[in-house]
Amino acid sequence: GQNIDQPTEMTATEGAIVQINCTYQTSGFNGLFWYQQHAGEAPTFLSYNVLDGLEEKGRFSSFLSRSKGYSYLLLKELQMKDSASYLCAGMDSNYQLIWGAGTKLIIKP
Amino acid sequence: GAVVSQHPSRVICKSGTSVKIECRSLDFQATTMFWYRQFPKQSLMLMATSNEGSKATYEQGVEKDKFLINHASLTLSTLTVTSAHPEDSSFYICSARGLAGGTQQETQYFGPGTRLLVL
Repeated sequence: GQNIDQPTEMTATEGAIVQINCTYQTSGFNGLFWYQQHAGEAPTFLSYNVLDGLEEKGRFSSFLSRSKGYSYLLLKELQMKDSASYLCAGMDSNYQLIWGAGTKLIIKP
Repeated sequence: GAVVSQHPSRVICKSGTSVKIECRSLDFQATTMFWYRQFPKQSLMLMATSNEGSKATYEQGVEKDKFLINHASLTLSTLTVTSAHPEDSSFYICSARGLAGGTQQETQYFGPGTRLLVL
């Protein structure tokens, strides 16, 4: 079957770094997406990885290892506004997104 | 980034009425559009997938006669909740997939969502 696993909740301190891990099993693979969702709002696109390695975009970076079925989202210099849920989604061979349940990130001052 | 609009953002209706929600990709052509539902503190639930000009594919457990989806063009999809009941109250989010912003990879972008409250 298809499955995306990520931690339910994480807590970090303002100004620190946090890494949110995601493991995936999909029928075929066409990339791994990360989305951010603030409470009461729709998700917004953060990153897409289809090749192994690290993609950096400002304070946010995303890493993919296809052989391990593993990805992580790295957030640096955390700000209070980064408090949100972070959704990992794998795209299968039919180009359908398989969603994780999301990781709620709590930032403390 | 790519823009997907959704209208209305919020709707309150009486039980038994029908509600139409529009989803538009404003600056790119969407090869596929998706409709999700999200209950408070729960994950996104995919309701249906639609390609322009063809019938939507509904997920198991989603009634196609109750949630009518029309994908009339590459930039517009509508979801009509027919004979809405209080249990249909939820946050409905559309998503459009396409090439946007000069990228080479199709990405899925979300609309801002529609909060439906059925009294």
